Amino acid sequence: EVQLVESGGGLVQPGGSLRLSCAASGFTFSNFWMSWVRQAPGKGLEWVANIKQDGSEKYYVDSVEGRFTISRDNAKNSLYLQMNSLRAEDTAEYHCTRGGWIQPRAQVSWGQGTLVTVSS
Amino acid sequence: IQLTQSPSFLSASVGDRVTITCRASQVISSYLAWYQQRPGKVPKLLIYDASTLQTGVPSRFSGSGSGTEFTLTISSLQPEDFATYYCQQLNSYPLTFGGGTKVEIK
Repeated sequence: EVQLVESGGGLVQPGGSLRLSCAASGFTFSNFWMSWVRQAPGKGLEWVANIKQDGSEKYYVDSVEGRFTISRDNAKNSLYLQMNSLRAEDTAEYHCTRGGWIQPRAQVSWGQGTLVTVSS
Repeated sequence: IQLTQSPSFLSASVGDRVTITCRASQVISSYLAWYQQRPGKVPKLLIYDASTLQTGVPSRFSGSGSGTEFTLTISSLQPEDFATYYCQQLNSYPLTFGGGTKVEIK
């Protein structure tokens, strides 16, 4: 069974930093594209970033480009999101997602999420 | 690429046929996915590449369309289908979601 477990969320002041982690199990992590998707409280979904199997390609939504960095450690079956210069509008539940075999950009499996709150 | 879903809200009864539309601001070929999010739950992938049903998804769900206009159809609404539905374009970065369609019980 695919499992994705996020951690690292919390309360942070504007301008601060957080590092989110996602521990993956139940599948061969190194075979799949991975993404982060966020959802602000009571709002819709927003794709944040994704990373290729070997880490050689990374893509970001414009609003986080230059502030967030996605990375992975295939030896540890882990995905990360380093978030710097955080803003109030980054407040959201952050979900780790796995891509598909046939459609790697689709969000096939989702973690339960970790809540990031940016507030003074 | 912006995705516009319509309607944003619909009220329907069990057994109804329901259609949700997603329009893209640019041509995205068939690179569109649909997700279902029940209250308090994480989203679930229903359909990818416009019309391919994800494994395990009931056959009452179907998707169609290409280019800029897409539809998600639920042939006979079941109690567990009351949820919010999102489309997502997979054609180009940044990947984007539609604003969602909330399906409620009439």
